Amino acid sequence: GEDVEQSLFLSVREGDSSVINCTYTDSSSTYLYWYKQEPGAGLQLLTYIFSNMDMKQDQRLTVLLNKKDKHLSLRIADTQTGDSAIYFCAESRDSGGGADGLTFGKGTHLIIQP
Amino acid sequence: KAGVTQTPRYLIKTRGQQVTLSCSPISGHRSVSWYQQTPGQGLQFLFEYFSETQRNKGNFPGRFSGRQFSNSRSEMNVSTLELGDSALYLCASCYGTANTEAFFGQGTRLTVV
Repeated sequence: GEDVEQSLFLSVREGDSSVINCTYTDSSSTYLYWYKQEPGAGLQLLTYIFSNMDMKQDQRLTVLLNKKDKHLSLRIADTQTGDSAIYFCAESRDSGGGADGLTFGKGTHLIIQP
Repeated sequence: KAGVTQTPRYLIKTRGQQVTLSCSPISGHRSVSWYQQTPGQGLQFLFEYFSETQRNKGNFPGRFSGRQFSNSRSEMNVSTLELGDSALYLCASCYGTANTEAFFGQGTRLTVV
């Protein structure tokens, strides 16, 4: 199976909270990330969490990590039309010889309904 | 400070040609990684350079190569282009080697015809 899995689509109403979920398989993951990609653009780093943390909050964004279940979520409070984008979950593994590069999920398309 | 700069933004090449893409990392960052993004395969790691040395490589054929200069700028080269090489090529810049905060450029959109 895929190393990092995400649902392909999420539709929410403007003003509601969005929760994007991600599961990963490698227990040696050191950092877990959320990136945002708007059409025609590169990846914007939203936030990341170290694997020994459970939660991280940054303004409208809350990241929750359940290391036992290898589950990561990103909650966006008060979702706005500008939040419409593809959200990628990624994990970083350090094999001791240097980072292996980020492993990305396929991305979740967040669709905002007015 | 300036972000990660990739040039060119768009490129059209024909099969069999070779191409060189450039990435200038954030000032002070010494690690540069390259990724290929396609609709079918998503984002895939190509390679990482740190202090002019390739530290890690993804699962891509030898036609894909790269290098890093003493000023941390990096180039990647693809030889004998194939239609399947059409993709968005993204460069990421990190201060260190552990990908703690990887900042991406806007990418180079390569189209092979």
